[in-house]
Amino acid sequence: DAGVIQSPRHEVTEMGQEVTLRCKPISGHNSLFWYRQTMMRGLELLIYFNNNVPIDDSGMPEDRFSAKMPNASFSTLKIQPSEPRDSAVYFCASSPQGHTEAFFGQGTRLTVV
Amino acid sequence: AQSVTQLDSQVPVFEEAPVELRCNYSSSVSVYLFWYVQYPNQGLQLLLKYLSGSTLVESINGFEAEFNKSQTSFHLRKPSVHISDTAEYFCAVRRGNDYKLSFGAGTTVTVRA
Repeated sequence: DAGVIQSPRHEVTEMGQEVTLRCKPISGHNSLFWYRQTMMRGLELLIYFNNNVPIDDSGMPEDRFSAKMPNASFSTLKIQPSEPRDSAVYFCASSPQGHTEAFFGQGTRLTVV
Repeated sequence: AQSVTQLDSQVPVFEEAPVELRCNYSSSVSVYLFWYVQYPNQGLQLLLKYLSGSTLVESINGFEAEFNKSQTSFHLRKPSVHISDTAEYFCAVRRGNDYKLSFGAGTTVTVRA
């Protein structure tokens, strides 16, 4: 398996623009996580899906952030409008049922100028 | 609630010297414990994990960690490091009945010749 696949790897956008990050989890995994990594705050869990259903979105910073999982093989994290303080590395991770650890993608480095 | 404390943010070490990265957690229930490694511009990779049984767990590349319940610690050690071990190391904790991985702030290990 190719692992968790995220795209794009790098994104530079202007403040106010919409940004969409994409994730393909490992086939057969039914849990999906979006994390954000910054120097100031470290790794933060943004949202957790189980069987395509959002279970916990308490980590989503504000209404500008939204996430969807239309099917078991695809998820998106959208920021609209983007702001410079959203600049970070965003990781997607997946986990199979009953497993304890998460498998991470390579991340998307977002820069909002 | 649970939190993870990594006591050292930066650990410089010479090649072939030993290294120890400290991790303490707080939790009132049983936990699963993990160490992840992040190489530059990469995602997080699982290094080793403690689920149950023997309190000493090992990775394939010479790292080991020991779960100490009384001290609520899960320190990571390697008796002889290589240049290629230069990376950031994250300790993570998950409660037995929870999906969330809580991460420490990370420890950057820099191995010098």
